[in-house]
Amino acid sequence: QKEVEQNSGPLSVPEGAIASLNCTYSDRGSQSFFWYRQYSGKSPELIMSIYSNGDKEDGRFTAQLNKASQYVSLLIRDSQPSDSATYLCAVRRETSGSRLTFGEGTQLTVNP
Amino acid sequence: EAQVTQNPRYLITVTGKKLTVTCSQNMNHEYMSWYRQDPGLGLRQIYYSMNVEVTDKGDVPEGYKVSRKEKRNFPLILESPSPNQTSLYFCASSFSGTGRLYSNQPQHFGDGTRLSIL
Repeated sequence: QKEVEQNSGPLSVPEGAIASLNCTYSDRGSQSFFWYRQYSGKSPELIMSIYSNGDKEDGRFTAQLNKASQYVSLLIRDSQPSDSATYLCAVRRETSGSRLTFGEGTQLTVNP
Repeated sequence: EAQVTQNPRYLITVTGKKLTVTCSQNMNHEYMSWYRQDPGLGLRQIYYSMNVEVTDKGDVPEGYKVSRKEKRNFPLILESPSPNQTSLYFCASSFSGTGRLYSNQPQHFGDGTRLSIL
């Protein structure tokens, strides 16, 4: 089992729709969760972080964390073509200090 | 401006010719890390450093060396590059420490270095 798994893509949604990206993790000791956006050939860019169970909203983005189910998701409301990118889920485990474990990413395409 | 700077951005070289990719950060971060990214494999950690003179292997360290003589710099060294090291490389940094304050710190990435080993 991979430490961090993301829903396989690519994911395609029409402009204005809600895009839902999912991530599960295997280590129950994980304490910090991050979503990065990466445009093709560019570096990952942090868009959301979440540490407590529940929802965290920032503009059109909502991160959801459920530690009991070991599940973290990212919702993008009113999706725009500029949201088309690969989204990386990253998890920091309690025992790993500052190290992050990344999922393989989900490629999102928003169609005009 | 807070940033992580990698050089070079692009490099084409030949098998066996030693090369160094530099990484420098101006945020006084303790933690620095090198990743490689390949299609279908995501970001894989090569080496990381918790502080000056403290380095450790990541998931794919074979064929690479690092050093951390100064807090701001963390160069990646390929002593004898081979074609399977052709990849996109990223350096990242963050604050480090114990407790919630530090565990919540995100990593900041450099712009990447695209290496082609012929």
